[in-house]
Amino acid sequence: GEDVEQSLFLSVREGDSSVINCTYTDSSSTYLYWYKQEPGAGLQLLTYIFSNMDMKQDQRLTVLLNKKDKHLSLRIADTQTGDSAIYFCAESPTDKLIFGTGTRLQVFP
Amino acid sequence: DVKVTQSSRYLVKRTGEKVFLECVQDMDHENMFWYRQDPGLGLRLIYFSYDVKMKEKGDIPEGYSVSREKKERFSLILESASTNQTSMYLCASTAGAGATGELFFGEGSRLTVL
Repeated sequence: GEDVEQSLFLSVREGDSSVINCTYTDSSSTYLYWYKQEPGAGLQLLTYIFSNMDMKQDQRLTVLLNKKDKHLSLRIADTQTGDSAIYFCAESPTDKLIFGTGTRLQVFP
Repeated sequence: DVKVTQSSRYLVKRTGEKVFLECVQDMDHENMFWYRQDPGLGLRLIYFSYDVKMKEKGDIPEGYSVSREKKERFSLILESASTNQTSMYLCASTAGAGATGELFFGEGSRLTVL
């Protein structure tokens, strides 16, 4: 069945890099996504990667995709307090998105 | 600026009451979704709709129904609210299974059932 798993919490010091990991089960997804949810808000698309790519870089964000291991990661360079949020990965084996459990990133000074 | 608006940010209801959660989008999107968000469980799909008057069950439809009478409006209905339906409810819309599949979310409706 479809299942997307993430660790629940990550705590990093301001200025360090954050790496949020995700494993998924369905290899037929054309795209994989990272969404960000700030406190008191809905989710917003942060970035996405096409399934035939290994890596995508977008300013401070780097997405790595290992299709063999069905592993997706999001690296945030120079993490700032404004990056504190819940981060969801999502796969799209059909025309619906399957979301992970979300990783709460806490950035401390 | 694209927008998905959920009419109520916070609601408190009693067990057995009928609850309506309204969602309106201004992007002329065909597809609309209702999720519930619970700590440690992520987002779970309740119902979705790909067209007016069309609805499909998601992963956890029990205890819920929906209405899509107009393209821009998708309502979630709890016929008889129960305490286990206390949750954050998120509405989302998208133009379709396009290149990015980006869902646009509302800010959420936090429902407490006493």
